Amino acid sequence: AQSVAQPEDQVNVAEGNPLTVKCTYSVSGNPYLFWYVQYPNRGLQFLLKYITGDNLVKGSYGFEAEFNKSQTSFHLKKPSALVSDSALYFCAVRGRRGSQGNLIFGKGTKLSVKP
Amino acid sequence: DVKVTQSSRYLVKRTGEKVFLECVQDMDHENMFWYRQDPGLGLRLIYFSYDVKMKEKGDIPEGYSVSREKKERFSLILESASTNQTSMYLCASMPGPGTYNEQFFGPGTRLTVL
Repeated sequence: AQSVAQPEDQVNVAEGNPLTVKCTYSVSGNPYLFWYVQYPNRGLQFLLKYITGDNLVKGSYGFEAEFNKSQTSFHLKKPSALVSDSALYFCAVRGRRGSQGNLIFGKGTKLSVKP
Repeated sequence: DVKVTQSSRYLVKRTGEKVFLECVQDMDHENMFWYRQDPGLGLRLIYFSYDVKMKEKGDIPEGYSVSREKKERFSLILESASTNQTSMYLCASMPGPGTYNEQFFGPGTRLTVL
């Protein structure tokens, strides 16, 4: 069965420091992986996805993610955190329901960036 | 830009009431989804639809039903609301076919059942 895990409920970072939000996955077949961000009282916004090709994927707002097949990980990264990056981050993997496939989400990681 | 709208941002209902949550997307997407979001549980799929009048159960369909009479609209129905259905409900749409596409989310409806 397809699944993702986000091992940290919360990540605290100082503004200007690099940030990493962790995600590991378990799939049968090729992994299609996604990152979303949710600001308070808002819906989810798409950040980036890995389908195939280069292991380093670049996305919106300066975020990038590194796909590592041997470690079954897809960690979200940013070289220099901003206070405005504080939000809830979700990792997701494509599931197998229906003809198009659903998304299976992790439980989310709350990122807090302090000035 | 893709726009997914939900009929209410906040909703308060009584136990036993029939509740309708509406979702509309303006990008002619084939696929639409309903999730509920609860702290510590992430997003859980309730129902989804990949075509008009088509629907499939997700992981937690009990107590819910859906309707998709038009391509742009996907409704979630709570036949008899209960307090354990107090949650944030998120609608999403996705173009098809193709398993590579991302989903686009609405702003959510925070439902409280008293």
